[in-house]
Amino acid sequence: NAGVMQNPRHLVRRRGQEARLRCSPMKGHSHVYWYRQLPEEGLKFMVYLQKENIIDESGMPKERFSAEFPKEGPSILRIQQVVRGDSAAYFCASSPGADFRYTFGSGTRLTVV
Amino acid sequence: AQKITQTQPGMFVQEKEAVTLDCTYDTSDPSYGLFWYKQPSSGEMIFLIYQGSYDQQNATEGRYSLNFQKARKSANLVISASQLGDSAMYFCAMREAAALNAGGTSYGKLTFGQGTILTVHP
Repeated sequence: NAGVMQNPRHLVRRRGQEARLRCSPMKGHSHVYWYRQLPEEGLKFMVYLQKENIIDESGMPKERFSAEFPKEGPSILRIQQVVRGDSAAYFCASSPGADFRYTFGSGTRLTVV
Repeated sequence: AQKITQTQPGMFVQEKEAVTLDCTYDTSDPSYGLFWYKQPSSGEMIFLIYQGSYDQQNATEGRYSLNFQKARKSANLVISASQLGDSAMYFCAMREAAALNAGGTSYGKLTFGQGTILTVHP
């Protein structure tokens, strides 16, 4: 009974490259949330998706960031043209429904050099 | 806007003693939920305990209990009989009320505090 799987665990990108972060929700979970944790800070909501739909992207930066959760496959958080300020831990969480008790993944630590 | 405040950047406790981690919140919504998560050095987020705003009794989960004082808008986490493995970062979070998805069901968008680093000494 695998939990929420995020990969890669660590990702290093040079400024200007693209970063793709993957999140495979728990089996049977069709709701996915992405959060970002900047150094020395708490997690901040980015986006909430259901299968094939973005429900709430109020926490997503207006440019360079996008998210998807296709019918098949993992949810993807994509950051184009990364900058040093994008360096952070990115967490994904999933739930079986619109339920607050969701399960977090172990996060992806993005470092932009 | 909702806000969560954790005023203790770091706390120290002796093994086997109890410790209280403070959390205050600010919201005008009558319906909300409060959470505590543990983040060990390995980085994952571990759910500890939940308290609903309408719950009559304080939540408990094993050695964790939540001291919910609604009038003071505080939701402190109490860890009894501390263990070395309790050393970690602890986050208080609040569920934003009345966030609805397309189906009209509320969903779990959380606002987190800054966290408290707990160190348990042997």
